[in-house]
Amino acid sequence: DGGITQSPKYLFRKEGQNVTLSCEQNLNHDAMYWYRQDPGQGLRLIYYSQIVNDFQKGDIAEGYSVSREKKESFPLTVTSAQKNPTAFYLCASSTAGSGANVLTFGAGSRLTVL
Amino acid sequence: QKEVEQNSGPLSVPEGAIASLNCTYSDRGSQSFFWYRQYSGKSPELIMFIYSNGDKEDGRFTAQLNKASQYVSLLIRDSQPSDSATYLCAVKETGGSYIPTFGRGTSLIVHP
Repeated sequence: DGGITQSPKYLFRKEGQNVTLSCEQNLNHDAMYWYRQDPGQGLRLIYYSQIVNDFQKGDIAEGYSVSREKKESFPLTVTSAQKNPTAFYLCASSTAGSGANVLTFGAGSRLTVL
Repeated sequence: QKEVEQNSGPLSVPEGAIASLNCTYSDRGSQSFFWYRQYSGKSPELIMFIYSNGDKEDGRFTAQLNKASQYVSLLIRDSQPSDSATYLCAVKETGGSYIPTFGRGTSLIVHP
C-alpha cells in the first residue's frame, strides 16, 4: 500500500539535544512538507521541498533543518536552537505544480522535551 | 500574508442534524479549497476539495464555494457521533507556490 511513514511515533528529548524525525513516502510524490501542530492550533509550515536536493523555509523554520537527498525521504532535525520544540509534527506529500495538490499525511510524531 | 479564518468552536449539534462549518480566506487569487478532518491525536485526512463556484457533494458531505464572497463551507448531513473531530480548511492559489494555507480548524461535537 502506498503511504507515508513517520518515525518515531513518540520521542522524548532532553534540553540541548538534537533529534531527527524520519519521513518516508512511496507515493512517488515530488513535493514533501513538514508541519508543526500545537494543541488547539492549526498547521504551521516548517519546511517544504519540491524536488530532490532543494527545499524552502516555511513560516517557522528557525531551529529546524531538513535534507532531501532522495525523492522518498525528507527527514526533519529539531535542533537545540528550537526553544519550544514540544509539539505534534506532521509530514505530508503531494504532487507538485498547479492542480489540486491534495496532501497525504503521515501518522505524525509527538515530541516532548523533558 | 494569506489568511484563512475558521471559528474554533466547538460547534455542537445533535445526532442527525446538519452541521455547517465555515471558512473565509483573504487571497482573491485562491483557486483550490480543501476540507480535512482530524480526529484527536491523529493526522488530517482529506474529505473533499472544490475549485469551482457552487456546490460539490460527496455522500453526506457538501462543499460550497463562493469566490466573490471569499467563503467556503462544509455541510455534513445526518451528523453522526463519529463525525466528531476538528475540521481544517485549506486554501491554495493558482500557480506560484502550491503550498496550501491552513485555517486553525473548527471542533465539531455531535452528541447522541
